[in-house]
Amino acid sequence: SQTIHQWPATLVQPVGSPLSLECTVEGTSNPNLYWYRQAAGRGLQLLFYSVGIGQISSEVPQNLSASRPQDRQFILSSKKLLLSDSGFYLCAWSRGQPNEKLFFGSGTQLSVL
Amino acid sequence: AQTVTQSQPEMSVQEAETVTLSCTYDTSESDYYLFWYKQPPSRQMILVIRQEAYKQQNATENRFSVNFQKAAKSFSLKISDSQLGDAAMYFCAGARSSQGNLIFGKGTKLSVKP
Repeated sequence: SQTIHQWPATLVQPVGSPLSLECTVEGTSNPNLYWYRQAAGRGLQLLFYSVGIGQISSEVPQNLSASRPQDRQFILSSKKLLLSDSGFYLCAWSRGQPNEKLFFGSGTQLSVL
Repeated sequence: AQTVTQSQPEMSVQEAETVTLSCTYDTSESDYYLFWYKQPPSRQMILVIRQEAYKQQNATENRFSVNFQKAAKSFSLKISDSQLGDAAMYFCAGARSSQGNLIFGKGTKLSVKP
């Protein structure tokens, strides 16, 4: 069966510090991978998606970046965090297009202080 | 452009009763897919139900069903025989088949009263 792992679960970082959130998928190959952010009281905003190794599409311009160094690994990074980067970050995967079911990780609560 | 609108920030239902959550999806595409996702207090997003726009029959999953009115761009979720475990945030979402990124609404917080 397929599983998705996302870590850490919670993270408190000072403004200006770097960020690295990791997501891995097991039990499937060549998944589509996604990073979403959920700000308090708001819906999910798509940040990045990837259809293959090294292929990253950005939906929202910001100081975050994403990388996919391996088929089932997706990393969200920042060189310098801003207060506005605080939020709940969710990784997800789908077998093909997102018109198929999305499988979500358990999320990372990031607080930038 | 596509937009997903959930006009009910919060809803409440008595246990065992029925509740309907509203959603509108505006797109110029003729082929698209609609979803309802549930986010319980654990914050794990879970797919509740999926509807393909080209299908006239409304999707049903056990106690969950949708009322899809394509002309009105309406995609409501009906929860029958509500249970305490149904308490959660519910997000409506849509994806175009041609460029399939999923767009979410802002969510409806559902409370279930015992």
